[in-house]
Amino acid sequence: DAKTTQPPSMDCAEGRAANLPCNHSTISGNEYVYWYRQIHSQGPQYIIHGLKNNETNEMASLIITEDRKSSTLILPHATLRDTAVYYCIVRVAGSGNTPLVFGKGTRLSVIA
Amino acid sequence: GAVVSQHPSWVICKSGTSVKIECRSLDFQATTMFWYRQFPKQSLMLMATSNEGSKATYEQGVEKDKFLINHASLTLSTLTVTSAHPEDSSFYICSARVTGTTNGEQFFGPGTRLTVL
Repeated sequence: DAKTTQPPSMDCAEGRAANLPCNHSTISGNEYVYWYRQIHSQGPQYIIHGLKNNETNEMASLIITEDRKSSTLILPHATLRDTAVYYCIVRVAGSGNTPLVFGKGTRLSVIA
Repeated sequence: GAVVSQHPSWVICKSGTSVKIECRSLDFQATTMFWYRQFPKQSLMLMATSNEGSKATYEQGVEKDKFLINHASLTLSTLTVTSAHPEDSSFYICSARVTGTTNGEQFFGPGTRLTVL
């Protein structure tokens, strides 16, 4: 079972920041938070991951609360191409031989 | 970045036939690959873990004799759906981890849409 809780859907106006929340209240100390997204009829795409510090890359920013029980993925300037299902996943770092377990994710719709 | 390909991207077959789906890591080696299945408007469900040179590990409820997995090299895993039936129609996705990395990042293929008539 997925160890995260996400809202089923969100809307965002094009050009605005999209803030996608994720609750992971049972996260362990050695578990990272990963974000993937899946555009319709494609395979999931890695976005970002982090342990406890905030992270930023060319795609997004990840804000993790101090108690690590929740996080927010931020797409700073959403475009129509960011419309997708976003998955928040927690897993132990270095556990590459264990698969990613997907929950239901958040369906983000970017509106023109 | 690491690239995973799948072939075919879509396939239509008659009930009772077998279909083979290939998953390749194009620019890296992968000792472990994973196979997922996704029904419309649902999330990805893990089917099995494919290990190079050894038997695959199947998730509970997945018939190993129906979904044959072969991982004969460090860059190729195949999933064969044997005696396919309409209920096997789904979107099949594979993923792979770069051998030797520690961050757990996995790369996904584009998926194969199977339609069984």
